[in-house]
Amino acid sequence: TQLLEQSPQFLSIQEGENLTVYCNSSSVFSSLQWYRQEPGEGPVLLVTVVTGGEVKKLKRLTFQFGDARKDSSLHITAAQPGDTGLYLCAGSRGTSYGKLTFGQGTILTVHP
Amino acid sequence: NAGVMQNPRHLVRRRGQEARLRCSPMKGHSHVYWYRQLPEEGLKFMVYLQKENIIDESGMPKERFSAEFPKEGPSILRIQQVVRGDSAAYFCASSPQGLPNTGELFFGEGSRLTVL
Repeated sequence: TQLLEQSPQFLSIQEGENLTVYCNSSSVFSSLQWYRQEPGEGPVLLVTVVTGGEVKKLKRLTFQFGDARKDSSLHITAAQPGDTGLYLCAGSRGTSYGKLTFGQGTILTVHP
Repeated sequence: NAGVMQNPRHLVRRRGQEARLRCSPMKGHSHVYWYRQLPEEGLKFMVYLQKENIIDESGMPKERFSAEFPKEGPSILRIQQVVRGDSAAYFCASSPQGLPNTGELFFGEGSRLTVL
């Protein structure tokens, strides 16, 4: 059973466009993280959200945690080719500090 | 380089051989986690260790797989009698002692195992 569903799985857009990636679950998570992974490398943490309704901004990236702490979104404004990569959401439950449940990822391609 | 160090980066084994993957956590981190990323699949938790202790191995296959994190030296993920289905990228992550419940991990670059 996939506890975290990410959508879309693939996203191909032109430079300058906006996009949103969704991460949904029927389960409550105590925190949720977004990672970015380049080919041949490990995931790199972008942000952690812990409070229902929380919104965090990282330059052109906006992350939101749902009020019920079951879902999250990543919005990128004016995408650039450098944003190309695999974006992963991952949830932590209870006291399982590092035992994360990952979504399957969204492969983003931004064309110049 | 103060990051999580994994070696080897690439490992090729024939069916039936053993694979040993090593992970040195970030300086000051005493918690180590192993994840596996199968082709076309997401990262899956395998095991969580602290020095000389296995805390949670609920994601480890029941046979052929073992992990350790000795008092001295790196953490080791050992796969005995490898099969083609073991081909995957194995990632190690670490976190500092006393981490608040935010699940923030720092990942290594992974070890890619190919079983012929």
